[in-house]
Amino acid sequence: EAGVAQSPRYKIIEKRQSVAFWCNPISGHATLYWYQQILGQGPKLLIQFQNNGVVDDSQLPKDRFSAERLKGVDSTLKIQPAKLEDSAVYLCASSLTRYEQYFGPGTRLTVT
Amino acid sequence: GNSVTQMEGPVTLSEEAFLTINCTYTATGYPSLFWYVQYPGEGLQLLLKATKADDKGSNKGFEATYRKETTSFHLEKGSVQVSDSAVYFCALSDQAVGNQFYFGTGTSLTVIP
Repeated sequence: EAGVAQSPRYKIIEKRQSVAFWCNPISGHATLYWYQQILGQGPKLLIQFQNNGVVDDSQLPKDRFSAERLKGVDSTLKIQPAKLEDSAVYLCASSLTRYEQYFGPGTRLTVT
Repeated sequence: GNSVTQMEGPVTLSEEAFLTINCTYTATGYPSLFWYVQYPGEGLQLLLKATKADDKGSNKGFEATYRKETTSFHLEKGSVQVSDSAVYFCALSDQAVGNQFYFGTGTSLTVIP
């Protein structure tokens, strides 16, 4: 069974530029999560989708971050414009039940 | 609200030493509890889980027991190996808030030969 795929793995941009991350969850997993993991901290949920609907986006900085999940499968997370404090690893995860999440390898973003 | 508190690291142990990483939680409902492990350069992997009070999760020699009375889920291993060096995250999932996951800040473990 293929795992959660994410791309790119690494991205370096300058502040005020825009960036997009892509996630392909495990086939059949209805729930998809995007997390931000700042160095030395635990993952912080940004947004949770159930199929193509948003369950929770209360911690998503909506003035600069946006996310969509087309057709309830792939998802894209965008930052526009980026700030220095957005430097982090962005993790995508998917789940079939509430007892497990499967994480992708993450995208490491550096904003200079 | 929901939150997870785990012991701060880093933790450095010699090979074959006993490991305990403490984790306590606060939850509004009846959460499921998890330990995830993150090896260098990789994403998080589920290590073990417990879905109700007094359940014991176990995997790869690691164990943790869901203690509702002390709101704890401490991770233990009797004899660590160099390959166990990683960051360990305690987490909870609360059905009352759409199965959202809450993670602790992580504990870095280094095992030296």
